[in-house]
Amino acid sequence: NAGVTQTPKFQVLKTGQSMTLQCAQDMNHNSMYWYRQDPGMGLRLIYYSASEGTTDKGEVPNGYNVSRLNKREFSLRLESAAPSQTSVYFCASILGQGASYEQYFGPGTRLTVT
Amino acid sequence: GENVEQHPSTLSVQEGDSAVIKCTYSDSASNYFPWYKQELGKGPQLIIDIRSNVGEKKDQRIAVTLNKTAKHFSLHITETQPEDSAVYFCAASKSAGRRALTFGSGTRLQVQP
Repeated sequence: NAGVTQTPKFQVLKTGQSMTLQCAQDMNHNSMYWYRQDPGMGLRLIYYSASEGTTDKGEVPNGYNVSRLNKREFSLRLESAAPSQTSVYFCASILGQGASYEQYFGPGTRLTVT
Repeated sequence: GENVEQHPSTLSVQEGDSAVIKCTYSDSASNYFPWYKQELGKGPQLIIDIRSNVGEKKDQRIAVTLNKTAKHFSLHITETQPEDSAVYFCAASKSAGRRALTFGSGTRLQVQP
């Protein structure tokens, strides 16, 4: 049981390039999230998916798109990377029903945009 | 939306001392308050959480208290050890809707041996 996995671990992009960050969970969770973490700040929500087939914006969605490919996978795409998107990106999942609140986080993707 | 403030931003204690980190939240509908520990280069790991129907929860050396009226909650670590050194985040969420977490800005705890 690997929990939440993310690929790649590190990435360097030039301004204007595109890339997709991958996230997968094997806990049969319904809801998945993408957060970004900037120095000296807490994590901020980019997008989330309450269940397979649904996605919605969080606090900082500009410049990103997401796809909930199936129940296990939730990807984050940067269509035209900007230096302001230099950050560490975390994916998380939650069972998303009943009294289950605990979010499980992946190890993160460190992205640098030059 | 929800706003979570966390203090202090850095905290240095001697091994064996206690450490206290405090957070306040703004949305009275929030009802779930987790604390995460983040070590360098890793994702946040849940260490303890509390729900709004409980005032205090303890797990060995770690405890969390919640004051719903004042909208604040605190993390208490007793008998600190060097391996407690990390960044700690508080967060808040609510059962209605997306259950996404709103995080505080983090506290860097350094336990001096």
